[in-house]
Amino acid sequence: NAGVTQTPKFRILKIGQSMTLQCTQDMNHNYMYWYRQDPGMGLKLIYYSVGAGITDKGEVPNGYNVSRSTTEDFPLRLELAAPSQTSVYFCASSYSMRDKGSTLFAQETQYFGPGTRLLVL
Amino acid sequence: AQTVTQSQPEMSVQEAETVTLSCTYDTSESDYYLFWYKQPPSRQMILVIRQEAYKQQNATENRFSVNFQKAAKSFSLKISDSQLGDAAMYFCAYRAGGATNKLIFGTGTLLAVQP
Repeated sequence: NAGVTQTPKFRILKIGQSMTLQCTQDMNHNYMYWYRQDPGMGLKLIYYSVGAGITDKGEVPNGYNVSRSTTEDFPLRLELAAPSQTSVYFCASSYSMRDKGSTLFAQETQYFGPGTRLLVL
Repeated sequence: AQTVTQSQPEMSVQEAETVTLSCTYDTSESDYYLFWYKQPPSRQMILVIRQEAYKQQNATENRFSVNFQKAAKSFSLKISDSQLGDAAMYFCAYRAGGATNKLIFGTGTLLAVQP
């Protein structure tokens, strides 16, 4: 059980290049997320997915695209890299379940991957 | 909109002593969840402790415990018997209940542990 894995660990891009950050989880989680972390800041949500074929925007989606063709994989695509996208990117997953003490759905804890450090020059 | 505030950019503690990290949040929701995550130099985010807003009892995980004051919207983390391995950035996070599941993070507190 590897949990959440991300590739690559580190990448340097030139302005205008494109790339895909890979994320895979083997916990059969419904929910997956992409965050970015800028220096000295907390994480900000880019996109998330509640299941295969379903994605939605988070707080900072501009400049990114995602797809969710399988439960396991949730790649993040940068089409035209810009210096403002220099950051550390984290993928996370969680399983949605009904909490025994609440009438609302309560999701399990988010499990994070090790991160991808991206530098755009 | 919900916000999470960590007012202590850096903290320091002596090995074996106790330290408390502060976190306040703002929300109009009644059903939500609060978390403390640890981020060591390896950068991976590791869950430390989780608290459901509807539970009055403070969560504990071994040496880690929280002081959850719902009326004051305060959620502090206490680390007892601090160890060198506790040195890391600590993030407080909020998540609303319901169908959406978006974590909102504070800006973090960098904890140093002195031998």
